[in-house]
Amino acid sequence: GAVVSQHPSWVICKSGTSVKIECRSLDFQATTMFWYRQFPKQSLMLMATSNEGSKATYEQGVEKDKFLINHASLTLSTLTVTSAHPEDSSFYICSARRVGSTDTQYFGPGTRLTVL
Amino acid sequence: RKEVEQDPGPFNVPEGATVAFNCTYSNSASQSFFWYRQDCRKEPKLLMSVYSSGNEDGRFTAQLNRASQYISLLIRDSKLSDSATYLCVVNGVDSSYKLIFGSGTRLLVRP
Repeated sequence: GAVVSQHPSWVICKSGTSVKIECRSLDFQATTMFWYRQFPKQSLMLMATSNEGSKATYEQGVEKDKFLINHASLTLSTLTVTSAHPEDSSFYICSARRVGSTDTQYFGPGTRLTVL
Repeated sequence: RKEVEQDPGPFNVPEGATVAFNCTYSNSASQSFFWYRQDCRKEPKLLMSVYSSGNEDGRFTAQLNRASQYISLLIRDSKLSDSATYLCVVNGVDSSYKLIFGSGTRLLVRP
């Protein structure tokens, strides 16, 4: 099946710093990638839709200036958590929609962020 | 009302048991339906798509009732390795290809 990678798999940072998470589709092109956040014992919540070559679309309540998304190529989207705070600690998961597919999304392994 | 609702469980069953999960969705215009499985601290993995006619994949059977906006997953002959959280997922009805996740139903299969 299609492979999506995320880097880093986990990160610990100090409050106030910025953290960049990469999402790559390794064996297919993805015009659309999605960023989710999952808090303990909760389901995945969509944060934003990342479109190659255009601005991301953010879900209601997600601050676009805090969660910067860049989708510069058909295989890479990045999420930067700016000025991270402890409440940003979460499991961040990306998914990629294969070009030409309908609704199938392939998920990355996730990045666990801990902000001290 | 949540867009996708599931009983959180946990369902605690012995090996070999048959267990069923249910899910309801609120938007009648939804077109695509899925069951995902998520293990602790891992990403969700697609278990199966759900088709109007119902579909089966080994020990797993999924059914869709559009009139009632209801989706089910039946697991027969439960294995210890089936222990996980099962997520009911529905597509967004706009053209954005968004997926809407239920909160998940936790299954524990005991020896």
